[in-house]
Amino acid sequence: QQQVKQSPQSLIVQKGGISIINCAYENTAFDYFPWYQQFPGKGPALLIAIRPDVSEKKEGRFTISFNKSAKQFSLHIMDSQPGDSATYFCAASGMGSTLGRLYFGRGTQLTVWP
Amino acid sequence: GAVVSQHPSRVICKSGTSVKIECRSLDFQATTMFWYRQFPKQSLMLMATSNEGSKATYEQGVEKDKFLINHASLTLSTLTVTSAHPEDSSFYICSADAGVSTDTQYFGPGTRLTVL
Repeated sequence: QQQVKQSPQSLIVQKGGISIINCAYENTAFDYFPWYQQFPGKGPALLIAIRPDVSEKKEGRFTISFNKSAKQFSLHIMDSQPGDSATYFCAASGMGSTLGRLYFGRGTQLTVWP
Repeated sequence: GAVVSQHPSRVICKSGTSVKIECRSLDFQATTMFWYRQFPKQSLMLMATSNEGSKATYEQGVEKDKFLINHASLTLSTLTVTSAHPEDSSFYICSADAGVSTDTQYFGPGTRLTVL
């Protein structure tokens, strides 16, 4: 059973455009929602994370929007650049997680065309 | 930010041999470390969770005797793939909690294992 559902599977955006990746979860005990960026052959790198007490968090060009009632959260990449081309994973953890484990979405492969 | 290293980055071995992968937290102490396996174009699959000084907790379907995990100190965890076979070829990634919060995990760069 997929604890965190992520869409789309792949995304193509023109340089300068906005990339939007969506995730949904079912477990209301989740209280930590990070996004990871992964380049081919590398380990995932923490990009930005949010907790349910806020509806939005922004760090540079990256913004997380969080909708607690809908149990959804999304990553927005403003002014997308070719260097942003990577695979993005959303994840969730919290009191319902065993030993602090993260539950990952299936990933979104983002391609930004110059 | 917190740095996690893995060694080796790549390893090629013959079928039937054992391979050890090290995961180190370089600038923080990690009470808990996690081991993942990732197939091409797929998500991370948690294999096991290890806590310093105690036995690892394996996910369902992961063979404990095949994937030996040792968490000897607060900065080092090792994964040993015993009697490796071609189907064990994969990208293995470790992560460590930041120590301040059990929620924040930092990942190592991964180890590409190829079993011939």
